[in-house]
Amino acid sequence: QKEVEQNSGPLSVPEGAIASLNCTYSDRGSQSFFWYRQYSGKSPELIMFIYSNGDKEDGRFTAQLNKASQYVSLLIRDSQPSDSATYLCAVNMARNNDMRFGAGTRLTVKP
Amino acid sequence: DVKVTQSSRYLVKRTGEKVFLECVQDMDHENMFWYRQDPGLGLRLIYFSYDVKMKEKGDIPEGYSVSREKKERFSLILESASTNQTSMYLCASSGGGAWETQYFGPGTRLLVL
Repeated sequence: QKEVEQNSGPLSVPEGAIASLNCTYSDRGSQSFFWYRQYSGKSPELIMFIYSNGDKEDGRFTAQLNKASQYVSLLIRDSQPSDSATYLCAVNMARNNDMRFGAGTRLTVKP
Repeated sequence: DVKVTQSSRYLVKRTGEKVFLECVQDMDHENMFWYRQDPGLGLRLIYFSYDVKMKEKGDIPEGYSVSREKKERFSLILESASTNQTSMYLCASSGGGAWETQYFGPGTRLLVL
């Protein structure tokens, strides 16, 4: 089992729709979770982080964490073509304080 | 704002050459990391460092070495470049705790011929 798993996509949504990106992780003791956005040819940039169970909202983005299910998601409301990118889930592993990244989900928002 | 810079955006080298990739951060971060990123494989950790002169192997250290002589600078060395080291190399830095975000440099796209 991979330490951090994401559906590679591509995920395609129409402009204005909600995009839902999912991530599962293996280390039950993990405590910090991050979502990065990476445009083609660019380096990852942080969108959000979440530490506590539940939802965390920042503008059009909502991160959701369920530690019991070892699941973290990112919702993008009112998706825009400029949101088209690869989204990386990252988890700080409790056992060795290492950050582990998923392989990323490629999102395309169609006008 | 955190700034992480890398010495080159694009690099072309020949098989067998020694290659140096440099990374500098300006936020006095304790931790620095080197990753490579390949299509379908995501980010893979090569080496990281928690302090000056300290280094730890990541998942794929073979064929690489690192140097951290100063807190702000972390160098990745390809001792004898091979074609399978053609990749995007990303440097990142973070503060000392498990809660800390990693900030990435712009990346170096290395082509080994």
